[in-house]
Amino acid sequence: KAGVTQTPRYLIKTRGQQVTLSCSPISGHRSVSWYQQTPGQGLQFLFEYFSETQRNKGNFPGRFSGRQFSNSRSEMNVSTLELGDSALYLCASSLDGPGNSEQYFGPGTRLTVT
Amino acid sequence: TQLLEQSPQFLSIQEGENLTVYCNSSSVFSSLQWYRQEPGEGPVLLVTVVTGGEVKKLKRLTFQFGDARKDSSLHITAAQPGDTGLYLCAESGTYKYIFGTGTRLKVLA
Repeated sequence: KAGVTQTPRYLIKTRGQQVTLSCSPISGHRSVSWYQQTPGQGLQFLFEYFSETQRNKGNFPGRFSGRQFSNSRSEMNVSTLELGDSALYLCASSLDGPGNSEQYFGPGTRLTVT
Repeated sequence: TQLLEQSPQFLSIQEGENLTVYCNSSSVFSSLQWYRQEPGEGPVLLVTVVTGGEVKKLKRLTFQFGDARKDSSLHITAAQPGDTGLYLCAESGTYKYIFGTGTRLKVLA
């Protein structure tokens, strides 16, 4: 069974640009969560989607958005990039969502904003 | 807001030594998970503990959940270089996980 895949693995963008990251969950998993990981703030929750519905959102500005498609694949978008958005963005999938079933993480997308 | 504090923040030990890392919360956990993350990879789930006082073993790793479910510990016996990584505890909230601050472990050969 294939694991969680994230594309691209590495990305370099300039301040003010926007970026879209993609996550393909494990087959059969309907929940996808996104996290931001930085050395200073650790691993912080961005949002969770289940069957195309956002069920929870973390404390991030509106520049961070996401969506989930009918095949459970998910994308997250960051608009008007800032230097502080440089981070490892992790996606995790699970059958029913956090707390109900185990979550499996992808390898992450390393975003660098210059 | 639930806060998960992990200690120590950094740990560098020699191969063969034992170590314990801790995870503490400001409130009661519903359940607690431990993950290990290696460089360039996402976290990998090691164990889930649910019941106060619960002890689980995974080879050389022993996980303990406090009786009051506000703290947990991870003990590694005879650490090996392959144990090197970032150890994270996490507690499930409503449709999300709250992660601890992490313990970065380096085991020297």
